[in-house]
Amino acid sequence: DGGITQSPKYLFRKEGQNVTLSCEQNLNHDAMYWYRQDPGQGLRLIYYSQIVNDFQKGDIAEGYSVSREKKESFPLTVTSAQKNPTAFYLCASSFLAASAQYFGPGTRLLVL
Amino acid sequence: KNEVEQSPQNLTAQEGEFITINCSYSVGISALHWLQQHPGGGIVSLFMLSSGKKKHGRLIATINIQEKHSSLHITASHPRDSAVYICAVTPRGYGGSQGNLIFGKGTKLSVKP
Repeated sequence: DGGITQSPKYLFRKEGQNVTLSCEQNLNHDAMYWYRQDPGQGLRLIYYSQIVNDFQKGDIAEGYSVSREKKESFPLTVTSAQKNPTAFYLCASSFLAASAQYFGPGTRLLVL
Repeated sequence: KNEVEQSPQNLTAQEGEFITINCSYSVGISALHWLQQHPGGGIVSLFMLSSGKKKHGRLIATINIQEKHSSLHITASHPRDSAVYICAVTPRGYGGSQGNLIFGKGTKLSVKP
């Protein structure tokens, strides 16, 4: 079955700790995206990548980092510089940059 | 002012009712998307449209490009339709067509049996 997987479903971060959220797709999509969702707000773009080994900052990239070493993988690291990391994080992918996006099940990040 | 506005924010309906959710946007677009988010959080893409009307089962999406408005209709609503419905747009000429979406805040629909 083709799709996008995110892990873990829930993640707890201690103060000053970096954590990495996994996103994998087997849809052979070139473009991948990371979004953050906060209660009462629309999804906001953190980072996106249109092709392997290339990625661009979105609207709220500060405190986050990504890598795109493989087409199927786009991990997101939430660094200690992100002062308010508690949120629901969604990964998405699309065949082309402007085509329909397919979303993963999300990771909920909580701060201890 | 948000670039994508949805109404209503919350909607409660009785099973079987006809439901309409509205989306207005203020930017030029190449496409509009309707997404469904279930309580568990996962998001499913329902429609992507740039003109006219699309239908899938009991769901109908329409768009009026001149008026910058789209509607999502659900016929014969059912409790399993309870979810958050999100409108998003792909801005036209967005610096190289990165495919970035601008999202509305969502409409929370609850269908009672």
